[in-house]
Amino acid sequence: DGGITQSPKYLFRKEGQNVTLSCEQNLNHDAMYWYRQDPGQGLRLIYYSQIVNDFQKGDIAEGYSVSREKKESFPLTVTSAQKNPTAFYLCASSIRQSTGELFFGEGSRLTVL
Amino acid sequence: AQKITQTQPGMFVQEKEAVTLDCTYDTSDPSYGLFWYKQPSSGEMIFLIYQGSYDQQNATEGRYSLNFQKARKSANLVISASQLGDSAMYFCAMRVHSGNTGKLIFGQGTTLQVKP
Repeated sequence: DGGITQSPKYLFRKEGQNVTLSCEQNLNHDAMYWYRQDPGQGLRLIYYSQIVNDFQKGDIAEGYSVSREKKESFPLTVTSAQKNPTAFYLCASSIRQSTGELFFGEGSRLTVL
Repeated sequence: AQKITQTQPGMFVQEKEAVTLDCTYDTSDPSYGLFWYKQPSSGEMIFLIYQGSYDQQNATEGRYSLNFQKARKSANLVISASQLGDSAMYFCAMRVHSGNTGKLIFGQGTTLQVKP
């Protein structure tokens, strides 16, 4: 089945450590997105990529980094510079230049101890 | 600036009754799309319904319908015949077509609880 796979689902890390969240899609979508969700809140855009080897900052990119070396993959690194990294992270994809919906993965919940 | 506003943090509805979740939006772009997503406690985002800014008729998908009032910039979601499985958080979102970034802007969400 086509879809978006995020891993790990749950992640615990110590303060000051970098963490990489995986996002893989087999939908053949050009565009991919990373969103952050805090408890009881909406989603805020971290980074997005419309094509391989290209990505842009979203509204809350500070303390995060991404890469897009393959069409299927868009990993997110939460660096030690992110002051409050504990959150729920959602990856999404869409057909480039589409007016249609975004398809989401099941999310990764990061807790920094 | 583009913005989505959902003013109802929480809503209750009796099973089998209809419920309306409010959403207002702000954009100066004439071409945009409006979306509703459902987020159960498990966390995944489930797409429910879409309305394009140029669509003449209100969108419907099964028990979901979107009450689109363009002049008022509102896009309320109506769920008919509520079921216990409808208990979840609901997000309204907008995608502006100019600039071609494709990104969705989300509201704060409304938590819906369906009572048996």
